[in-house]
Formats: sequence, structure tokens, C-alpha cells
Amino acid sequence: AQKVTQAQTEISVVEKEDVTLDCVYETRDTTYYLFWYKQPPSGELVFLIRRNSFDEQNEISGRYSWNFQKSTSSFNFTITASQVVDSAVYFCALPYNFNKFYFGSGTKLNVKP
Amino acid sequence: SQTIHQWPATLVQPVGSPLSLECTVEGTSNPNLYWYRQAAGRGLQLLFYSVGIGQISSEVPQNLSASRPQDRQFILSSKKLLLSDSGFYLCAWSAGESLNLHFGNGTRLTVT
Repeated sequence: AQKVTQAQTEISVVEKEDVTLDCVYETRDTTYYLFWYKQPPSGELVFLIRRNSFDEQNEISGRYSWNFQKSTSSFNFTITASQVVDSAVYFCALPYNFNKFYFGSGTKLNVKP
Repeated sequence: SQTIHQWPATLVQPVGSPLSLECTVEGTSNPNLYWYRQAAGRGLQLLFYSVGIGQISSEVPQNLSASRPQDRQFILSSKKLLLSDSGFYLCAWSAGESLNLHFGNGTRLTVT
């Protein structure tokens, strides 16, 4: 079965600081996908990124970047120059059999002005 | 484009009362449908998922049940609510090769 661990329960930073959210996963699948979602205070979950296990290249989207390392089973998420609007709960997810999504426990990010 | 509707947004119910939460998806066919629950300050727990009409898989034995009477309709029910059923319930769908989960806005249920 899949398992996703987000060891950081809550992180507080001051605006403009960089912050990295950790995600460690376990799977017996040779092919799999990893996801990150953002849950702002309003509650809905917003898709951020999907990565295929075959593609270990880091990805950058604006202030967001993701570091995928199969050797350590990690898929970490970095926000550069954080902003107050980045305050949210962030979830890492790993689908089983490509349809059952298992989520980590989430990391609550507080960005203070 | 695809949309997902989930209602109601908030609900306060007494212990022992029944529950029915409804979720509908538009703009896609034969989606996978999911119910998740998020207890206060906690992560997302997969409750049920469905790959087709009448096909329901339960992840956690509990006081809740789910049904899928139509292709794009997913219902979460309970005959008698418990205090521990309080939480934020999220419906989601996925389809095709995108593998991405699309979430509804959620229902905040308080059992008193």
C-alpha cells in the first residue's frame, strides 16, 4: 500500500523567506505519480503539480519549485520569497493503482508579514 | 469544461439524525468519484471511491455509506450521525489520463 509522510506539521516564516515542505513516500509500484495540493483557508483543494516517477528533473513554476529524488523517496516543495497569500495547508499525495489517492497529513504554512 | 458541485456548504445536525450529502460532476463521463473527510486540523482521509455506477469501495469501516445512483452523482449517507462524524467532507473526481483529483468546495458538518 502507499504511504505518504509529511513530518512538518506546521511551519512559520516571515514574508520573503524561502521555505521547503518535505514529503517522503513509500510505494512498491515501479511507475507512479506524485502530487502536491494547496488548501487555502477557504477549504477547497487546489492542484499544484503532478510528477511521473520516470521524470526526476526538478520543476520550477514561478516562485514554486519541486525536487523529486527517487533515491530518497522524497518529493519536496520549495516556495521562494514567500508571500502572505502562500499561507495554507499543503498536501502531498500518492495514488495507488492510478486512482486511489492517499494524502499525507499536510503541512500548515504560516507566512507572516 | 468540467465542474463539480457539492452541497450543502455547511450543516449542523443533532446526534442520531440521518445525513445525506450530494455531489455531482458535469462535463465528463464515467469519472472516478471520491469522498474524503478532514477532521479539524488533520489530514485527508479517503472514505469511499467509485469507478462506476453502483461500484463503491469503502476504505474505512464506519458509520457512513456511499452510493452512486447515476454516472456523475455520488451521495454520502448516514442513518444515525455520531459526534465523531463532525468534519469537513470533500467530494472529488478524476478521469482519463490526467490522473488529477478535482475537488468540490466541501461541506462542513457539525454534529451536536
